[in-house]
Amino acid sequence: GENVEQHPSTLSVQEGDSAVIKCTYSDSASNYFPWYKQELGKRPQLIIDIRSNVGEKKDQRIAVTLNKTAKHFSLHITETQPEDSAVYFCAASKSGGSNYKLTFGKGTLLTVNP
Amino acid sequence: EAQVTQNPRYLITVTGKKLTVTCSQNMNHEYMSWYRQDPGLGLRQIYYSMNVEVTDKGDVPEGYKVSRKEKRNFPLILESPSPNQTSLYFCASSPQGMSTEAFFGQGTRLTVV
Repeated sequence: GENVEQHPSTLSVQEGDSAVIKCTYSDSASNYFPWYKQELGKRPQLIIDIRSNVGEKKDQRIAVTLNKTAKHFSLHITETQPEDSAVYFCAASKSGGSNYKLTFGKGTLLTVNP
Repeated sequence: EAQVTQNPRYLITVTGKKLTVTCSQNMNHEYMSWYRQDPGLGLRQIYYSMNVEVTDKGDVPEGYKVSRKEKRNFPLILESPSPNQTSLYFCASSPQGMSTEAFFGQGTRLTVV
């Protein structure tokens, strides 16, 4: 089955700096890669996703890049703010056939220091 | 308001006492699933359902049961809870399998003593 590795497990940055979280996946058939943000005591919520026919997607201060050949994808947050502090999860799934499994990485605790 | 609702939010129980965590969604989503979240292990899928009366095991199904008699409800049943099932549980739903946004419930923190 799919295996998703996420690094780093913790990340501390100064406000205004950029943060990058990286994930690798094992199943070359995976074609959907979402990122979820989980604030302390809250539920995970989708912040951005990318499909395998796209190399990069941007939404204001966040962007995701995908390298299908290397089977890795990354989340980039620019101009970080204290409210970006949370746990971020990457995930991978594939459509069609076994379209039932969303495999998550173990998460990255991002702390943005004011 | 579109939402996924879990109950209860918090539960402390004793080993072996059967319990049910309910999950209900009002978005007419076909796909629903249960996850458990443990420190350092991320979110692991327990069971999923692709539609009414269609359920299957995820990565960590041992000790759990589910049912999907109606589209909106997907309860998680622990017939004989054990301390290693102490965890934070999330129900999620999505409109078309897991290649679309998953909407999570607010979570149920379960403690088995």
